[in-house]
Amino acid sequence: KQEVTQIPAALSVPEGENLVLNCSFTDSAIYNLQWFRQDPGKGLTSLLLIQSSQREQTSGRLNASLDKSSGRSTLYIAASQPGDSATYLCAVRGGSGNTGKLIFGQGTTLQVKP
Amino acid sequence: NAGVMQNPRHLVRRRGQEARLRCSPMKGHSHVYWYRQLPEEGLKFMVYLQKENIIDESGMPKERFSAEFPKEGPSILRIQQVVRGDSAAYFCASSPPEGWGTEAFFGQGTRLTVV
Repeated sequence: KQEVTQIPAALSVPEGENLVLNCSFTDSAIYNLQWFRQDPGKGLTSLLLIQSSQREQTSGRLNASLDKSSGRSTLYIAASQPGDSATYLCAVRGGSGNTGKLIFGQGTTLQVKP
Repeated sequence: NAGVMQNPRHLVRRRGQEARLRCSPMKGHSHVYWYRQLPEEGLKFMVYLQKENIIDESGMPKERFSAEFPKEGPSILRIQQVVRGDSAAYFCASSPPEGWGTEAFFGQGTRLTVV
């Protein structure tokens, strides 16, 4: 059974700092991995999609890496801003016996202080 | 191309009533997924549907909950005889028919409150 874990659960940093969010999964037979952002009381916004054959994806100040063999992904946020404050969710699609649904981690709640 | 549309955004039901949550996927998307998010908790998978078919309902409670995605119209998540524990945010996602390597997009959710 695929399980996804995110560390840390919460993170508070001063504005301008570079930071890394971690995601690990137990079954490496994935199709892809997606990072989402969720603001309080809102829906999920897709940030980056990494296919199983890819090592990383970049969008603006965000960079996501994937090491499928070790079951790990990281989301790197450069020069953090107060507007980056949100919960970041990692989700994998796939795993042995998986029908294609996304399986989520518990999320990392980020606070960037001005 | 409008995103995934969910309605209503907020729904209040008394215990014992029925709740119907609607999800219109993005244009061209034929895969729909429903998730539930309890306060201060992560997203839990409920059901995965394609047009007129339930592909995976392993996360759906055995009683009172049902889902459909008809040939025409939105996907419906139906909760009968709601209880206080059903209060949560329900999110719908959709993805294209090209396979499981595609990106999934989420709606804004329906926040159900049972009083």
